[in-house]
Amino acid sequence: AQSVTQLDSQVPVFEEAPVELRCNYSSSVSVYLFWYVQYPNQGLQLLLKYLSGSTLVKGINGFEAEFNKSQTSFHLRKPSVHISDTAEYFCAVSGNTGFQKLVFGTGTRLLVSP
Amino acid sequence: DTAVSQTPKYLVTQMGNDKSIKCEQNLGHDTMYWYKQDSKKFLKIMFSYNNKELIINETVPNRFSPKSPDKAHLNLHINSLELGDSAVYFCASSQRGNGNTIYFGEGSWLTVV
Repeated sequence: AQSVTQLDSQVPVFEEAPVELRCNYSSSVSVYLFWYVQYPNQGLQLLLKYLSGSTLVKGINGFEAEFNKSQTSFHLRKPSVHISDTAEYFCAVSGNTGFQKLVFGTGTRLLVSP
Repeated sequence: DTAVSQTPKYLVTQMGNDKSIKCEQNLGHDTMYWYKQDSKKFLKIMFSYNNKELIINETVPNRFSPKSPDKAHLNLHINSLELGDSAVYFCASSQRGNGNTIYFGEGSWLTVV
């Protein structure tokens, strides 16, 4: 079984500052990793994913994440945030064989202020 | 065109009622899901169907019954609604062999009063 820990429930940041949202996972098998974003009263949108290959993954809206197998982490970063990035961000993990559940972390609320 | 669409988006109903949420995907995926998001934003899988067959069935009360008439549709029927059923229900789909990448609908906000 897999599990995900997002240690920060809320991250306040000023506009144009860099941000990192932390995600650690646990799994006994190889994994796929995902970040989703949820804007207020909306559904979940896929930001980026790691399936295999390069450990640095680039996604939409200028976000990127780095898979670190030794530290079992998949932190999300953006060099300069905008007010419009204010949203809930979810890290998720699944095993990479057969039918696997996508297991979500508890989410991190990114609050960008002017 | 909406890839994963679910209706209704908002639903307010009384305790004890029976309600359904419908979901359709036009992505040609072979697997569909229902997830529940509680008031603390926690997301948990409820059911998953692959080519109309149930493959994941988490510990969910029997009052919840999914139905998949074909691989593009997965509906969720809830009997005898309780206050604790108030949540956002997300339908999603994926294609096996595509890295388990799941695409979500916009959600259905269910409020039981």
